[in-house]
Amino acid sequence: DAGITQSPRHKVTETGTPVTLRCHQTENHRYMYWYRQDPGHGLRLIHYSYGVKDTDKGEVSDGYSVSRSKTEDFLLTLESATSSQTSVYFCAISGDRGRINGYTFGSGTRLTVV
Amino acid sequence: QKEVEQDPGPLSVPEGAIVSLNCTYSNSAFQYFMWYRQYSRKGPELLMYTYSSGNKEDGRFTAQVDKSSKYISLFIRDSQPSDSATYLCAMRSGGSNYKLTFGKGTLLTVNP
Repeated sequence: DAGITQSPRHKVTETGTPVTLRCHQTENHRYMYWYRQDPGHGLRLIHYSYGVKDTDKGEVSDGYSVSRSKTEDFLLTLESATSSQTSVYFCAISGDRGRINGYTFGSGTRLTVV
Repeated sequence: QKEVEQDPGPLSVPEGAIVSLNCTYSNSAFQYFMWYRQYSRKGPELLMYTYSSGNKEDGRFTAQVDKSSKYISLFIRDSQPSDSATYLCAMRSGGSNYKLTFGKGTLLTVNP
């Protein structure tokens, strides 16, 4: 997707290992979000950021941490991966221009915890 | 009660049919309403947005918002196989908080 990339696209990891997913944007947008998408649950917000070093929790933040040291990068870390964290993870960005803003989503990271 | 309710379907229609997708919500503070389309194994993409009540048309797509009933709809006219996707409604309140609340999505299949 234009202006936002996620890496890796796919990952298989073992239970108990730490995992870091990266979201990189070239739009200079202020807001960045991490969602997970699961059948029957839809998109659920994990964490979001409203500026460099400014982050806050979403509705399913337990077991996850984030960092944003630069405007363009937002990292999601699974501190000790569990099978319940097997999911598709989406990063999204939105601007801040005092008008309606939709999100632009990345292509997703498919994570499997075995 | 969930803030946003959306029938997950699946919904299967023949090519050329008119499709109606709907969401209800409980938070009266919601002012901005959006529809996203998500193809299989892709990220959601913004399809339509509306502010407050009313209709908005874009080609074969019409978005309707009825704030008095807390009900939003997306209509697709002359549906095409390429419209086969999951459609998610999303909404947010006004102000500087841009956090969106999503419905769970409706899976639509348009059969040739």
